[in-house]
Amino acid sequence: QVQLVQSGAEVKKPGASMKVSCKASGYTFTGYYIHWVRQAPGQGLEWMGWINPNTGNTNYAPKFQVWVTMTRDTSISTAYMELSRLRSDDTAVYYCARSLAGSNYEYVDYWGRGTLVTVSS
Amino acid sequence: EIVLTQSPATLSLSPGERASLSCRASQSVSSFLAWYQQKPGQAPSLLIYDASNRATGIPARFSGSGSGTDFTLTISSLEPEDSAVYYCQQRSNWPLTFGGGTKVEIK
Repeated sequence: QVQLVQSGAEVKKPGASMKVSCKASGYTFTGYYIHWVRQAPGQGLEWMGWINPNTGNTNYAPKFQVWVTMTRDTSISTAYMELSRLRSDDTAVYYCARSLAGSNYEYVDYWGRGTLVTVSS
Repeated sequence: EIVLTQSPATLSLSPGERASLSCRASQSVSSFLAWYQQKPGQAPSLLIYDASNRATGIPARFSGSGSGTDFTLTISSLEPEDSAVYYCQQRSNWPLTFGGGTKVEIK
């Protein structure tokens, strides 16, 4: 079965960086895009971007363009999302999610359980 | 950026009733719209994509309709487990965007 297992919760200070991992299993990792979505406490969903694990190509939402980096390691079927220069309003649950197949790669079906990142001094 | 406006903010209905959730786009997204369900403490799950296609394993009581700027998610007969927040999402233009959500409460 498809599973996305994310790294554990983190507490960071303002100005620091964070890196969340997302290990995929149960399918061909390079066959589907990985998206990253975040959700601030009690708030809605916010799209951050995606990575094509096959090529390494990325597409970031303009809001995050300057300070997010998405990478992958195909040898261990793992995607990573790194966010720099953290601020308190980056406190959120960060989800990775797998795309649908083919031309529907900008919808997602399987999600990780989320990683809570708290930014506090 | 395309803004998706969902209404109502909260819907309170009894089991067996019909729920209609609206999603309106600030410009046409053709049929490139999806619906997700998020239960408390859980990640979202895909219900509908391309406006009307049910995702794998989704019960037939969930249906989607619409095109252009106006879309509807219909739950034909509410079950207690349908209590959740429902989000729409467009993939017509980058960046991908979500609506603000509709909370469905079961009386």
